[in-house]
Amino acid sequence: AQSVTQLDSQVPVFEEAPVELRCNYSSSVSVYLFWYVQYPNQGLQLLLKYLSGSTLVKGINGFEAEFNKSQTSFHLRKPSVHISDTAEYFCAVSNTGFQKLVFGTGTRLLVSP
Amino acid sequence: DAGVTQSPTHLIKTRGQQVTLRCSPKSGHDTVSWYQQALGQGPQFIFQYYEEEERQRGNFPDRFSGHQFPNYSSELNVNALLLGDSALYLCASSLPWGNSPLHFGNGTRLTVT
Repeated sequence: AQSVTQLDSQVPVFEEAPVELRCNYSSSVSVYLFWYVQYPNQGLQLLLKYLSGSTLVKGINGFEAEFNKSQTSFHLRKPSVHISDTAEYFCAVSNTGFQKLVFGTGTRLLVSP
Repeated sequence: DAGVTQSPTHLIKTRGQQVTLRCSPKSGHDTVSWYQQALGQGPQFIFQYYEEEERQRGNFPDRFSGHQFPNYSSELNVNALLLGDSALYLCASSLPWGNSPLHFGNGTRLTVT
């Protein structure tokens, strides 16, 4: 069975500061990794995905994430956040053979001026 | 290009009743997955439909059933509603192979009283 741990339930940060949202996963098989963002009263939007190849993945809205197999981590980073980045962020994992996503419990990013 | 559309957006039902939620996939997608997102939690996989058949199922009771139509749209049915079924139900569409990312709709908010 796979699992995802997002240790930080909430991350407050000031506008234009850098941010890192942490994600650790557990799996006995090869995985794909994803970050999704959810704005209030909306569905999930894909930020970025790791399927294979380069461990540094760039996504939309200036976000990037690094896959670290030895530490089973996939942390999300942005060098300078905006007020509009305030949202809930979910890390998810699936095995490479199927699309069943296992999500973490989410991290609420709060950006203040 | 329309994305994933879900209807209705909100629904209030009484305990013991039955409910049907509907989903139209993104143009070009033929695979539909359903997720339940309880308040403050990450989404949990219910099941996935491909070629009008249930391809994989998560850990949900038989009260949760689904259907996929020849035009790839899908329905989620929940019988004998419980208070604990109150949640945001998310539909996601994709292509059928493992590295095809899921595109989510905005969800249906179900409240059971």
